[in-house]
Amino acid sequence: QKEVEQNSGPLSVPEGAIASLNCTYSDRGSQSFFWYRQYSGKSPELIMFIYSNGDKEDGRFTAQLNKASQYVSLLIRDSQPSDSATYLCAVNGNGGATNKLIFGTGTLLAVQP
Amino acid sequence: ETGVTQTPRHLVMGMTNKKSLKCEQHLGHNAMYWYKQSAKKPLELMFVYSLEERVENNSVPSRFSPECPNSSHLFLHLHTLQPEDSALYLCASSQEIQGAYGYTFGSGTRLTVV
Repeated sequence: QKEVEQNSGPLSVPEGAIASLNCTYSDRGSQSFFWYRQYSGKSPELIMFIYSNGDKEDGRFTAQLNKASQYVSLLIRDSQPSDSATYLCAVNGNGGATNKLIFGTGTLLAVQP
Repeated sequence: ETGVTQTPRHLVMGMTNKKSLKCEQHLGHNAMYWYKQSAKKPLELMFVYSLEERVENNSVPSRFSPECPNSSHLFLHLHTLQPEDSALYLCASSQEIQGAYGYTFGSGTRLTVV
């Protein structure tokens, strides 16, 4: 079983719609959860982090965490073509003294004008 | 300079060459990382340095040799690479104590081995 799983997509949504990106993880001891956005040919950019069950909102982005179900999601409201990118889910792997993040393969989001 | 800077941005090397990738962070972080990103694969953690000590080496072949002379600089020395080593190599840093805030990545080095 992969440690962090994401649907690779592409997820295609029309401009103005809500994009819903999902991620599951295997380590029940995970404490911190992150969403990175990666444009083609660029490096990952942190857009959200969450570590408590429930929702966390930042502008058009909402991260949702359910530790019992080992599930984390990212909602993007009013999707724009500039949101088209690969979204990487990352989970703190509890690597002892170091902050070790485990990444999923990413979901490619395509927002259609 | 701000954030995490990596040089060079692109590198083409033959299998017998020796080259080095450089990373510098200007964030006052205590931990630095090398990741490899290949197409259709998740980011692969290669090396972790905490306070200049290597704390993790994820079974990386010896043709990759990291060096961390101080908490702001990280190198990846490359020699006798294989074509399958062609990938995007990403450096990242984090404030180890505040691990909840994730990593800051550099812009990466696109490596092509011919």
